Amino acid sequence: RKEVEQDPGPFNVPEGATVAFNCTYSNSASQSFFWYRQDCRKEPKLLMSVYSSGNEDGRFTAQLNRASQYISLLIRDSKLSDSATYLCVVNPPGGYNKLIFGAGTRLAVHP
Amino acid sequence: EAGVVQSPRYKIIEKKQPVAFWCNPISGHNTLYWYRQNLGQGPELLIRYENEEAVDDSQLPKDRFSAERLKGVDSTLKIQPAELGDSAVYLCASSFLTSSGRGEEQFFGPGTRLTVL
Repeated sequence: RKEVEQDPGPFNVPEGATVAFNCTYSNSASQSFFWYRQDCRKEPKLLMSVYSSGNEDGRFTAQLNRASQYISLLIRDSKLSDSATYLCVVNPPGGYNKLIFGAGTRLAVHP
Repeated sequence: EAGVVQSPRYKIIEKKQPVAFWCNPISGHNTLYWYRQNLGQGPELLIRYENEEAVDDSQLPKDRFSAERLKGVDSTLKIQPAELGDSAVYLCASSFLTSSGRGEEQFFGPGTRLTVL
């Protein structure tokens, strides 16, 4: 079993739609969680951290469910510019700076 | 402020040839990472440096890969000899590790796209 698993997609949605991605992780003792965004042929960039209490940044909401070991990302009012690959990232126990990346979920927003 | 700089951006070589990648991290960042990203996959850590010390190289194929970070700033990653399966994007990232051991956000460079023929 992979340490971090994501649905590869692609998710094809119209502008203005709400879309949600889920991600599961295998190590229940994992410390920190993140969503990174990667545009085509570009480097990954941090989108947001994921806190136990959930957090929101504009149109983006991240949730963590430790009991079920999954992380979610909700994007409301999708924009064309949201088209990218969204990488679920987990920091395993004992490695503050070690990041385990999922394979990513592709999102394509169309007019 | 300049981000993480990598060169070259693209490299095409024949198998069994050597290749080297260079990375200059963000000024002040004491931690440097080399990742490999295969098509359709997320980045996988190859090696992590804290200053000039390699603290995690468990994923580095040591028979053909080597890395160094002299003076705790720039780093080079070398493959000798390259194999067909080494074709991938090699990403360098940097971050600041606090004295308590907590890491801050990792910033990635644009990567080097390696094609081995």
